[in-house]
Amino acid sequence: KAGVTQTPRYLIKTRGQQVTLSCSPISGHRSVSWYQQTPGQGLQFLFEYFSETQRNKGNFPGRFSGRQFSNSRSEMNVSTLELGDSALYLCASSEGQGVHEQYFGPGTRLTVT
Amino acid sequence: SQQGEEDPQALSIQEGENATMNCSYKTSINNLQWYRQNSGRGLVHLILIRSNEREKHSGRLRVTLDTSKKSSSLLITASRAADTASYFCATIDDKIIFGKGTRLHILP
Repeated sequence: KAGVTQTPRYLIKTRGQQVTLSCSPISGHRSVSWYQQTPGQGLQFLFEYFSETQRNKGNFPGRFSGRQFSNSRSEMNVSTLELGDSALYLCASSEGQGVHEQYFGPGTRLTVT
Repeated sequence: SQQGEEDPQALSIQEGENATMNCSYKTSINNLQWYRQNSGRGLVHLILIRSNEREKHSGRLRVTLDTSKKSSSLLITASRAADTASYFCATIDDKIIFGKGTRLHILP
């Protein structure tokens, strides 16, 4: 099976802009989770989607949002970008909701200038 | 706040030696997982240990879990250059929370 794919791999945006990142899970996986990784804060959980519904959410402001489509593909959006949003954004898929083994994509490196 | 905290933050050992990393957490968990990350790429799942298990093996990896001390350890035996990576523990209750990781460097 193909692994988790994320697009784009690299992105440069300026403050105030908005960005949409895409994640395609492994075929058959219905759960998609998003994480933000920075050197200072490490890996932080953003949200989890299962069957097109957000099941869990981390402690991020409302500028961070996401959605999941019927084919399990997911997108996350960040509006009004800030310099601190520069990070590696990782998507992970799993067969079920919550506690299953997760398969990670290569990530999208976002740089906000 | 982070649930899992790895110790040490960084570790350098000679190839062939064993590497031990520890993880402490704060609240009750359903299971605990260890992941590896190479050079800012995506994470790779290594092993999952359930809260009712005390030890688990997978190849050169050995994981222990002590729920009374709220701690886990990952042992990599006979280390290789390819083991150079960051290692994260992830505690799972209703959501998955990662620690900040241990950076392991295997010296030739």
